Amino acid sequence: NAGVTQTPKFQVLKTGQSMTLQCAQDMNHNSMYWYRQDPGMGLRLIYYSASEGTTDKGEVPNGYNVSRLNKREFSLRLESAAPSQTSVYFCASRLDRGLQGTQYFGPGTRLTVL
Amino acid sequence: GENVEQHPSTLSVQEGDSAVIKCTYSDSASNYFPWYKQELGKRPQLIIDIRSNVGEKKDQRIAVTLNKTAKHFSLHITETQPEDSAVYFCAAFNAGGTSYGKLTFGQGTILTVHP
Repeated sequence: NAGVTQTPKFQVLKTGQSMTLQCAQDMNHNSMYWYRQDPGMGLRLIYYSASEGTTDKGEVPNGYNVSRLNKREFSLRLESAAPSQTSVYFCASRLDRGLQGTQYFGPGTRLTVL
Repeated sequence: GENVEQHPSTLSVQEGDSAVIKCTYSDSASNYFPWYKQELGKRPQLIIDIRSNVGEKKDQRIAVTLNKTAKHFSLHITETQPEDSAVYFCAAFNAGGTSYGKLTFGQGTILTVHP
């Protein structure tokens, strides 16, 4: 049981390049989330998916797109990377059972945009 | 939407002392309040949580208190140890409407425990 996994661990892009961050969970969780973490800013929600086939914007969605490919996988795409997107990206998942349902985080992807 | 304020932003204590981190939230409908610990270069991990029908919860050296009327909750760490040094995040969750488990996080507190 690997929990939440993310690839890649590190990535360096040039301004204008595109890339997809991958996330997968093997806990049969319904909801999945993408956050970015910047120094002094805490964790900010980019997009989330309540179930397979549905996605919704979070606090900072501009410049990103997401795909909930199936129940296990939730990817985050940067179409045209900008230096402001330099950050650490965390994927998380949650099993929805009323008030239960801790969010479990992946190991993170450290992205640098030059 | 929900807004969570966390204080202090940094906290330095001597080993064996207690540490207290406080958070306030704005949405009275929030009903689940987890605390996460994040060590340097690692992922956030849940250390304790509390639900709105409970005023206090304790797990060994860690406790959380909730005051729904004042809309604030606090993390208490007793007998601190150097391995408690990390960034701590509070969060609030509103199960109503279409939130689907969206957590709103505080800005984080950097706790340093000096030997």
